[in-house]
Amino acid sequence: ELQLVESGGGLVQPGRSLRLSCTTSRFAFGDYAMSWVRQAPGKGLEWVAFIRSKADGGTTQYAASVKGRFTISRDDSKSIAYLQMNSLKAEDTAVYYCTRGGGVYGDYADTFDIWGQGTLVTVSS
Amino acid sequence: SYVLTQPPSVSVAPGKTATITCGGHNVGGRTVHWYQQKPGRAPVVVMYYDTDRPSGIPERFSGSNSGNTATLTISRVEAGDEADYYCQVWDRSSEDWVFGGGTKLTVV
Repeated sequence: ELQLVESGGGLVQPGRSLRLSCTTSRFAFGDYAMSWVRQAPGKGLEWVAFIRSKADGGTTQYAASVKGRFTISRDDSKSIAYLQMNSLKAEDTAVYYCTRGGGVYGDYADTFDIWGQGTLVTVSS
Repeated sequence: SYVLTQPPSVSVAPGKTATITCGGHNVGGRTVHWYQQKPGRAPVVVMYYDTDRPSGIPERFSGSNSGNTATLTISRVEAGDEADYYCQVWDRSSEDWVFGGGTKLTVV
């Protein structure tokens, strides 16, 4: 079964930083684009960040709500994707899911076909 | 930015057909993906590229997309289909991956 495993969530004070990790051993990680999607308590899904595969340039994109504060990166040698979250706000409180896919091809993008179990980030004093 | 509108809730009796809509300006000109999320679980893709069904998803699930509305149809609904369903597209103009607000399917 294809699988992603997130880690790094927890309770953090406003203004502080946290780094999430996402790893797999079940597919050729370096061949795929990766994304982070979050879900605030009782709310819907919100895309957060995206990183292309190295073959497609490894470039990144961010939702307006996190641009300038969050950074997505990848270490293909370790099959890990990261989400560095700085200047955290209460409204960043959510379950953060790592997903595979979302690669863009002209006017359309692939689906997010594999999801991790999610890691909860709580921003509170 | 692009907006996808879903009804907050849909109720259906077991064995009947559930129709979940996803509205957006000329959404028929985009490709829509659908996700199912059960309580406490991660989302699972149930339909991609409007009409393609991943392996393991029952044939009872089908999709369509035309004009300003994309639709996920679940035939012969079962209790196990009860979940939240989200539609999703990629918006080229804003370079955002956009989700609809989600529809809670209740099997009554």
